[in-house]
Amino acid sequence: QKEVEQDPGPLSVPEGAIVSLNCTYSNSAFQYFMWYRQYSRKGPELLMYTYSSGNKEDGRFTAQVDKSSKYISLFIRDSQPSDSATYLCAMSGRGSTLGRLYFGRGTQLTVWP
Amino acid sequence: NAGVTQTPKFQVLKTGQSMTLQCAQDMNHNSMYWYRQDPGMGLRLIYYSASEGTTDKGEVPNGYNVSRLNKREFSLRLESAAPSQTSVYFCAISNGGRADTEAFFGQGTRLTVV
Repeated sequence: QKEVEQDPGPLSVPEGAIVSLNCTYSNSAFQYFMWYRQYSRKGPELLMYTYSSGNKEDGRFTAQVDKSSKYISLFIRDSQPSDSATYLCAMSGRGSTLGRLYFGRGTQLTVWP
Repeated sequence: NAGVTQTPKFQVLKTGQSMTLQCAQDMNHNSMYWYRQDPGMGLRLIYYSASEGTTDKGEVPNGYNVSRLNKREFSLRLESAAPSQTSVYFCAISNGGRADTEAFFGQGTRLTVV
């Protein structure tokens, strides 16, 4: 079992839809949870960052972490065609996980006008 | 300010040939990483270097070697390329030693082995 599981999709939604992207994980040492966005033929870039449990909002994006369920989510409100990309969750934490990022497979999202 | 620079951007190799992928950073970060990305597989860690002078294996190290030349540079070598090594390779950096650390990625090297 991979330490981080993410449904690769693809996910296709109309412009203006609310998008929900999710990851599950197995390692309870993870404390830092990130979402990276990767446009086609580019390297990933950090989109959102959350420490421990709770919510974080940044404009149209909301990241949620539920450590009790080992489940994280990214919500995109009023989705735009420019949001079309691959979204990768990533995690890091204490002990042997320190300083290393563990990535999910990525979910490919297309927002059509 | 380039951040993370990878060379070359594209490469085609014949099976059995060798090559070195170069990565250089100008952000003074301690940790450097090499990932490969294949369709449906996400990013898989090949090797990483937590600091100058140290290297460690990741998930998929077989067929690769690395060299942390100095704090700025981290190279990945394929000694005898195989078609299974056709992939997009990303170099990344972070302020290693801290868990709350953002990784910055290069633009990738697209390698095809025929």
